Amino acid sequence: QKEVEQDPGPLSVPEGAIVSLNCTYSNSAFQYFMWYRQYSRKGPELLMYTYSSGNKEDGRFTAQVDKSSKYISLFIRDSQPSDSATYLCAMSPNTDKLIFGTGTRLQVFP
Amino acid sequence: DAGVIQSPRHEVTEMGQEVTLRCKPISGHDYLFWYRQTMMRGLELLIYFNNNVPIDDSGMPEDRFSAKMPNASFSTLKIQPSEPRDSAVYFCASSLGLAGDETQYFGPGTRLLVL
Repeated sequence: QKEVEQDPGPLSVPEGAIVSLNCTYSNSAFQYFMWYRQYSRKGPELLMYTYSSGNKEDGRFTAQVDKSSKYISLFIRDSQPSDSATYLCAMSPNTDKLIFGTGTRLQVFP
Repeated sequence: DAGVIQSPRHEVTEMGQEVTLRCKPISGHDYLFWYRQTMMRGLELLIYFNNNVPIDDSGMPEDRFSAKMPNASFSTLKIQPSEPRDSAVYFCASSLGLAGDETQYFGPGTRLLVL
């Protein structure tokens, strides 16, 4: 079993929809949780990070962490075609390397 | 800053040939990471350096892979001999630190195809 599991998709939604992207993990030592966005033929770039449990909001994006369930989510409100990308979750205990999920490919059509 | 620079952007080679991928990290970043991305396995960490010293190479698939960082502004990942299963996108990333809240900045990647 992988340390971090992520549904690869693809997920196809109409513009304006609310998108929910999720990851589960097995290592209870993970404390830092990140979401990276990767456009086609580009490198990943950090979108949001959260420490421990709770929610964090940044514009149309909300990251949620539920450590009791070992489950993290990224919500995108009012999705736009420009949000079409692959979203990778990543996590780390603290001063250690990041473990990435395989990524979920999202397509938002007009 | 120009960001993380990788070269070449694309590489097509034949099985058995040596392949060298190059990376220039962001100036001032103490950590450099090499990743490999495939559809099946996602983004896998191969090796990372701290202040030019390899710290963790547990992700290097086998002895055919080697990485060096001769100075703070240059790193190479070498595959010798290359095999078709090495075909993937190889990313280099750099960061200021290794703390959980440190951002890793990725380069554009090198698309490698081994025939």
